[in-house]
Amino acid sequence: AQSVTQLGSHVSVSEGALVLLRCNYSSSVPPYLFWYVQYPNQGLQLLLKYTTGATLVKGINGFEAEFKKSETSFHLTKPSAHMSDAAEYFCAVSEAGTYKYIFGTGTRLKVLA
Amino acid sequence: DTAVSQTPKYLVTQMGNDKSIKCEQNLGHDTMYWYKQDSKKFLKIMFSYNNKELIINETVPNRFSPKSPDKAHLNLHINSLELGDSAVYFCASSRISGTGGSVNIQYFGAGTRLSVL
Repeated sequence: AQSVTQLGSHVSVSEGALVLLRCNYSSSVPPYLFWYVQYPNQGLQLLLKYTTGATLVKGINGFEAEFKKSETSFHLTKPSAHMSDAAEYFCAVSEAGTYKYIFGTGTRLKVLA
Repeated sequence: DTAVSQTPKYLVTQMGNDKSIKCEQNLGHDTMYWYKQDSKKFLKIMFSYNNKELIINETVPNRFSPKSPDKAHLNLHINSLELGDSAVYFCASSRISGTGGSVNIQYFGAGTRLSVL
């Protein structure tokens, strides 16, 4: 069965500092991996996705993530945090040809001035 | 134009009442979903319809009944509302795409915040 673990339900960084949000997955088949962002009182918006090919994927708003099969990880990074990055971030896993997503429990990012 | 729209945005009601939430997508997708997000932000799939057919039906009380009149609409009806039903309900839609037709990217509505008093 698939599962997703997001380490750290709350992460605080200073404005301009590196953002690192951790996601580990479990899947018996090659996974499709996603990061979504949820701003306050809004729905989820796709940040980036990994399907096949290049393991370093770039998304919107300067975020990127690297798929590491050996570590079963898909951590999200951004070199320099901005106040507007404060939000809830969700990692999700899916399998090829399926409709079901398994979401992690989310990480709330707080950006300090 | 909003891609996935839900109505109402807020819903406050008494225990025991019956209520419906509506969802519409204008993305031309063939699959729609209902998720429940609890107070701890945990997202759980409830139902999914593909071309008006139910394809995902998680362990949800049978007081919850989805209905898809066409591919662009998926409504959620809840009977005999309970305190524990208070949550944010998200609608999403997707279309399988990508090489070999295997990537499922879901697009979410803004949510309906249900408060049961």
